[in-house]
Amino acid sequence: DGGITQSPKYLFRKEGQNVTLSCEQNLNHDAMYWYRQDPGQGLRLIYYSQIVNDFQKGDIAEGYSVSREKKESFPLTVTSAQKNPTAFYLCASSTRPLNTEAFFGQGTRLTVV
Amino acid sequence: DAKTTQPPSMDCAEGRAANLPCNHSTISGNEYVYWYRQIHSQGPQYIIHGLKNNETNEMASLIITEDRKSSTLILPHATLRDTAVYYCIVRVAGPFIIQGAQKLVFGQGTRLTINP
Repeated sequence: DGGITQSPKYLFRKEGQNVTLSCEQNLNHDAMYWYRQDPGQGLRLIYYSQIVNDFQKGDIAEGYSVSREKKESFPLTVTSAQKNPTAFYLCASSTRPLNTEAFFGQGTRLTVV
Repeated sequence: DAKTTQPPSMDCAEGRAANLPCNHSTISGNEYVYWYRQIHSQGPQYIIHGLKNNETNEMASLIITEDRKSSTLILPHATLRDTAVYYCIVRVAGPFIIQGAQKLVFGQGTRLTINP
């Protein structure tokens, strides 16, 4: 079945370590997005990519990095420079231009201890 | 993208219609209104979108005012499973490709609680 997959669902890391969150889609979508959600808050845009080998910073890109080497994949690295990395991370994809809906993964809950 | 304003929370009785308002007074002519919802600890789910005409699908109806400065999402017969945070987003869509215009920006949303 077509969809967008994030892995793992739960992730624990020690403070100071970089960690990479996976996002894969088989919907043939051009655009992909990463969001961060904190308890009781809305979604905040970290990075987005409209096509392969291109990406733009969102509203809270500091401390994060991404790559878009393949259309299907948009991994997010949470670096040690991110001051408060513990959060719920959501990946999404859509057609470009966005005519209908964006599809979201089920999220990765990252806890840094 | 135009900013949206939604009430932080609403309650509705099970079986009644839930009407969720959204203000988007700075919306541009080529911006659509999208609605998503997020059930606790899951990814957001698309509900409906529209430009200026009212829209209806199997999940909901979207009523957009004539001046397009506000809209209302209607869940006609709310069930307990409709309890979620509902997000109203306005953004450019369609065949016009504008640098940076494809991003989706979410606000705080409305936490809808359906009561038995």
